[in-house]
Amino acid sequence: GAGVSQSPSNKVTEKGKDVELRCDPISGHTALYWYRQRLGQGLEFLIYFQGNSAPDKSGLPSDRFSAERTGESVSTLTIQRTQQEDSAVYLCASSPQDNEQFFGPGTRLTVL
Amino acid sequence: GEDVEQSLFLSVREGDSSVINCTYTDSSSTYLYWYKQEPGAGLQLLTYIFSNMDMKQDQRLTVLLNKKDKHLSLRIADTQTGDSAIYFCAERRNYGQNFVFGPGTRLSVLP
Repeated sequence: GAGVSQSPSNKVTEKGKDVELRCDPISGHTALYWYRQRLGQGLEFLIYFQGNSAPDKSGLPSDRFSAERTGESVSTLTIQRTQQEDSAVYLCASSPQDNEQFFGPGTRLTVL
Repeated sequence: GEDVEQSLFLSVREGDSSVINCTYTDSSSTYLYWYKQEPGAGLQLLTYIFSNMDMKQDQRLTVLLNKKDKHLSLRIADTQTGDSAIYFCAERRNYGQNFVFGPGTRLSVLP
């Protein structure tokens, strides 16, 4: 497909488990962003990749959160030892040269 | 302040015009954006404006930019029920993570 895809679309997990969220950006887009959106709230920036490097990780809420990007393509956001407050929709966006962002449909994470 | 600000709610009658306002933070921001988010969906880019422009029109959408006051607005003409959604403004800064989003304005269109 031509757009940003994310998987899984929904993830239900138990408190304390680790989860991995995947983002497939639009081919050729050099920039990739992760955001968190809690229910009824705006977007909270998590991390930004330029190529495979992450020049800005300032939004990661704790050391339980990490992300990587390989091949200037797929990115994985990992949350270790999930907590109930991690429940949210995690949105990924990609951008050609930091101009215009194209968003994926998001992964809805529910931590029981 | 550091935050992009928007009013959280707006209700209009079908057929009326909607005006959604946003105050951004960085006078050096080069691009300003409006996104639409429908229930259960990701964000869809509606339009954007370059900082050297005052106005941009695209069909029913009109964007106005006041750089002096760092104020951005989105006008939707002849608002329809399908326009009901959350509208986010965003600025592209020249440092850090580049894009900063407002909290979103929930537009409700009443029949």
